[in-house]
Amino acid sequence: GDSVTQMEGPVTLSEEAFLTINCTYTATGYPSLFWYVQYPGEGLQLLLKATKADDKGSNKGFEATYRKETTSFHLEKGSVQVSDSAVYFCALRRSGGSNYKLTFGKGTLLTVNP
Amino acid sequence: DVKVTQSSRYLVKRTGEKVFLECVQDMDHENMFWYRQDPGLGLRLIYFSYDVKMKEKGDIPEGYSVSREKKERFSLILESASTNQTSMYLCASSLRNEQFFGPGTRLTVL
Repeated sequence: GDSVTQMEGPVTLSEEAFLTINCTYTATGYPSLFWYVQYPGEGLQLLLKATKADDKGSNKGFEATYRKETTSFHLEKGSVQVSDSAVYFCALRRSGGSNYKLTFGKGTLLTVNP
Repeated sequence: DVKVTQSSRYLVKRTGEKVFLECVQDMDHENMFWYRQDPGLGLRLIYFSYDVKMKEKGDIPEGYSVSREKKERFSLILESASTNQTSMYLCASSLRNEQFFGPGTRLTVL
């Protein structure tokens, strides 16, 4: 079945540090890939997405590139801020079908210290 | 803006009680989902619905049921709450590729 594996946290960084959160997936075909973010006390929000190989999703300074050859979708940001402290989830949606079901990774807690 | 609302942010119930969690979306989305979120386990799909009165089991449906009588409303029902159902419950809706989440209900079963 489909699965998503992301690096275990927690990840603690200082402000302005470089961030990478690794995400790899297992799925048949060509899934769509997503990063969601959950700020403290809130639900999940879509951060960025990519729907085909070599696509780069970007938003709020975050980027991730869909790499089919390595089945990866790593999240990066060049300079993190305290306000980026949150839980980050990698997810995939299988290609085809009509139910739009997502498979999520377990989440990575990021804490950014001033 | 899409809005997904959940009836309660915090809920405390006793073992054996019947519990209803309500979710409403205002964007005419066909698909709606219920997840539970637990530390170290991420989000796990309980049930989803792709149309009124239609439902499908997710990965962990045991101990839960759902109801979708109107397009905008998707209810999660715990027939007889147990302590291992203490969790954060998240509702989502989607039209195509993106799921929109509600703020979550933190349920404690004593």
